[in-house]
Amino acid sequence: DAGVIQSPRHEVTEMGQEVTLRCKPISGHDYLFWYRQTMMRGLELLIYFNNNVPIDDSGMPEDRFSAKMPNASFSTLKIQPSEPRDSAVYFCASSSGGGSKVFFGQGTRLTVV
Amino acid sequence: GQQVMQIPQYQHVQEGEDFTTYCNSSTTLSNIQWYKQRPGGHPVFLIQLVKSGEVKKQKRLTFQFGEAKKNSSLHITATQTTDVGTYFCANYDNDMRFGAGTRLTVKP
Repeated sequence: DAGVIQSPRHEVTEMGQEVTLRCKPISGHDYLFWYRQTMMRGLELLIYFNNNVPIDDSGMPEDRFSAKMPNASFSTLKIQPSEPRDSAVYFCASSSGGGSKVFFGQGTRLTVV
Repeated sequence: GQQVMQIPQYQHVQEGEDFTTYCNSSTTLSNIQWYKQRPGGHPVFLIQLVKSGEVKKQKRLTFQFGEAKKNSSLHITATQTTDVGTYFCANYDNDMRFGAGTRLTVKP
């Protein structure tokens, strides 16, 4: 298996633009997580899905952030409109069952100027 | 999952010295997972502990889960430059929330 695949790896965008981050979890995994990592706030859990259903989105910072999982092999995290403070590395991760090993993607480094 | 606290935030050691990072919770944990993130990389799973008092070893790394299941530690014996990175603990109980991590630097 190729592991968790995220795209793009790097994204530079102007403030106010829409940004869409993409994730393909490991086949067969039923949990999918989106994290944001910054020096100041560390690894923050934004939202997680179980069997494509959003379970807890309490970590989503604002209404500008939204996440979807239309099927078991694809998820998106959208920021609209983007702001400079959204600059961070965004990780997608997946696991098979709650409480098991979690596999992370390579991350998307987002820079909003 | 429960929020966990990690100390220290940073640790700088001379190559060959030992290193320990601690993870604490105010409540009983169902499990503890440890991850390592190399600079510029992504977190990679190291181990999971589930039993009270559990001790597991991976070469120079020793992981412990406290008797009350409220704390855990990761100990590295005789650090090497390849050990550089940030070590995170996390409690995975449907969701997974990470501690702040301990950033380890090793001077050759």
